[in-house]
Amino acid sequence: SQKIEQNSEALNIQEGKTATLTCNYTNYSPAYLQWYRQDPGRGPVFLLLIRENEKEKRKERLKVTFDTTLKQSLFHITASQPADSATYLCALDRGTYKYIFGTGTRLKVLA
Amino acid sequence: GAGVSQSPSNKVTEKGKDVELRCDPISGHTALYWYRQSLGQGLEFLIYFQGNSAPDKSGLPSDRFSAERTGGSVSTLTIQRTQQEDSAVYLCASSPPGRHSGPEAFFGQGTRLTVV
Repeated sequence: SQKIEQNSEALNIQEGKTATLTCNYTNYSPAYLQWYRQDPGRGPVFLLLIRENEKEKRKERLKVTFDTTLKQSLFHITASQPADSATYLCALDRGTYKYIFGTGTRLKVLA
Repeated sequence: GAGVSQSPSNKVTEKGKDVELRCDPISGHTALYWYRQSLGQGLEFLIYFQGNSAPDKSGLPSDRFSAERTGGSVSTLTIQRTQQEDSAVYLCASSPPGRHSGPEAFFGQGTRLTVV
């Protein structure tokens, strides 16, 4: 069955460092992959989308890579700040708009 | 308001009762999604509406769950004869038309349903 795995353990990093979050998937061939941020008690907020034929996408301090051979996406936040502390979710879609979400990784940036 | 609006924000109901959850999508958005998020779990797809097309109901967990979307706008998710395992946060999202490359979804704040 389709499976999306994100680090279930929380990731703690020091302010100013680069945070790297991982999204691995099996039994799936996504056309698109999205990353969302979710704060406690709130709905997810869209951050970035990357297509299957794209290797890398950047937006300000955010960078996403997509390796369809490894079936993996990496999400990087450079020069991290305490305000970046949240849960980050990856979501995959084959082009049917029925996104399958991972369980998310909780990031805590320490001042 | 400019965002997706869900009501109520919290709902406590007794086991066996029916509940209705409401979602007001962003004006002009043709796609509407319902997801469920249990504690410590990812978002579970429930149902997807796109314009006037037949909805994709493949994620509904049982026939106690149903959803409708009236006039291409407001949607209601109904859970009949609620069970304790239905307790979760129910999230609604909408996305704009005219995109053929995995449109971003705009989420509401969710309805926290507790079945006691």
